Amino acid sequence: GENVEQHPSTLSVQEGDSAVIKCTYSDSASNYFPWYKQELGKRPQLIIDIRSNVGEKKDQRIAVTLNKTAKHFSLHITETQPEDSAVYFCAAPYSGNTPLVFGKGTRLSVIA
Amino acid sequence: EAGVTQSPTHLIKTRGQQVTLRCSPISGHTSVYWYQQALGLGLQFLLWYDEGEERNRGNFPPRFSGRQFPNYSSELNVNALELEDSALYLCASSSSRLAGGNEQFFGPGTRLTVL
Repeated sequence: GENVEQHPSTLSVQEGDSAVIKCTYSDSASNYFPWYKQELGKRPQLIIDIRSNVGEKKDQRIAVTLNKTAKHFSLHITETQPEDSAVYFCAAPYSGNTPLVFGKGTRLSVIA
Repeated sequence: EAGVTQSPTHLIKTRGQQVTLRCSPISGHTSVYWYQQALGLGLQFLLWYDEGEERNRGNFPPRFSGRQFPNYSSELNVNALELEDSALYLCASSSSRLAGGNEQFFGPGTRLTVL
C-alpha cells in the first residue's frame, strides 16, 4: 500500500520568508495529491491539490509542485504571514480510487 | 450549503465502555471516511464507506466498527474503550470515491476522552 513521508516535522520562518514542505510517496499509481491546513483546535481544510497530469499549480501565495519520476510533491508558501502558522498535511491515495494516506504533518510557525 | 457535521463535540467515557459517534456528510456526497487523530499526531485512517458499504478499513482492531445509512450519514462505534482511544475523531466526506471523487471535506470532529 501507499506510504507517505513528510518533511520537515517542524518549520519556523520569519514573516515574509518562504516555506517549503516536501512529501514523498511510494505508489507510482497514485494520481491525486492534496494539501491540508489544520489550525489549532480546528478541522483540516484543503488548501490546494494537484493531479498527476499536472506538474505545478498555484493559488495566490501557495503552490504545489509534483515530480512523478521522483515520486515527490512539495508545498510552497511565499510571503508568509502569521496566519499561515498551522499544521500542514500532505496526502496521497493508495492506487486508484482508494482512501487517502496522510503524512505525519509539518508544524509551521511564522514569526512576526 | 451545510458542511460536514459531527456529534457529539465532546465525550468522556471510562475504560471498557462503548461509544457511538455520528457524522452527516455534505449533501450529495456518498463517501464517508473516519480518521483518528491522537494529540499531536497525524491522521490515522479508520474506515471508508461508500454507497452504504464498507470499502476499506485501516489498521485498527475489530472493536472499531461502523456503518453507513441510506441517507449516507454514518456512525463509528468503539467497543471496550481503552485509554489510548482518547483522541479527536474526524469524519470527512467526498463525492463517490469509487467514481473518482477526491476532495475530502472534514467535519469539526468529536473529542473523546477515556478515563
